[in-house]
Amino acid sequence: DTGVSQNPRHKITKRGQNVTFRCDPISEHNRLYWYRQTLGQGPEFLTYFQNEAQLEKSRLLSDRFSAERPKGSFSTLEIQRTEQGDSAMYLCAIEPRDSPYYTFGSGTRLTVV
Amino acid sequence: AQSVTQPDIHITVSEGASLELRCNYSYGATPYLFWYVQSPGQGLQLLLKYFSGDTLVQGIKGFEAEFKRSQSSFNLRKPSVHWSDAAEYFCAVGPWSGGSNYKLTFGKGTLLTVNP
Repeated sequence: DTGVSQNPRHKITKRGQNVTFRCDPISEHNRLYWYRQTLGQGPEFLTYFQNEAQLEKSRLLSDRFSAERPKGSFSTLEIQRTEQGDSAMYLCAIEPRDSPYYTFGSGTRLTVV
Repeated sequence: AQSVTQPDIHITVSEGASLELRCNYSYGATPYLFWYVQSPGQGLQLLLKYFSGDTLVQGIKGFEAEFKRSQSSFNLRKPSVHWSDAAEYFCAVGPWSGGSNYKLTFGKGTLLTVNP
């Protein structure tokens, strides 16, 4: 139990399709983050939420990407009209209330064919 | 802008040998530094962190790291590597705001292979 549950673990989709990933925090936390990790790279910041408010978005988050966090609970990340360049691991992380550092989920690996 | 450089893309060591993974950072203020480990297909697990105080920090699994401000480095070490340590290791730097850190910047990672 990492404190964060992500679903699905793997997603294969055809180019042009829409996909949605879900992140369910298990532990009490302050903030929720989304990161993207492409092959051979470290994770890159996409966006983060404080409760239901989305406070910052990276330039990596194009108009095809949208993240939501209704009622400050789970979060979703949607990619519209997927492109091959969207293939990556999408990681969700929380900042537990009793720990000043991230807890990462296991990620959702997206493959766009 | 903050940045992290991990000069070694891939390191191979024999089981039982010592290990040092290098990390150099660029940050305009006092950095908060982290090492994470990632097994294939998994998320990242925190090994250790440096916020302030003693520059030699101990982490889980027998790892330690030393913060050297003059060299802008935060190298990870382990005296004796075990086969289960084979994984990818990421160094990260982040700011501290409002009692928490956010928006970490990660290096590209170092892949560790352990030979029997």
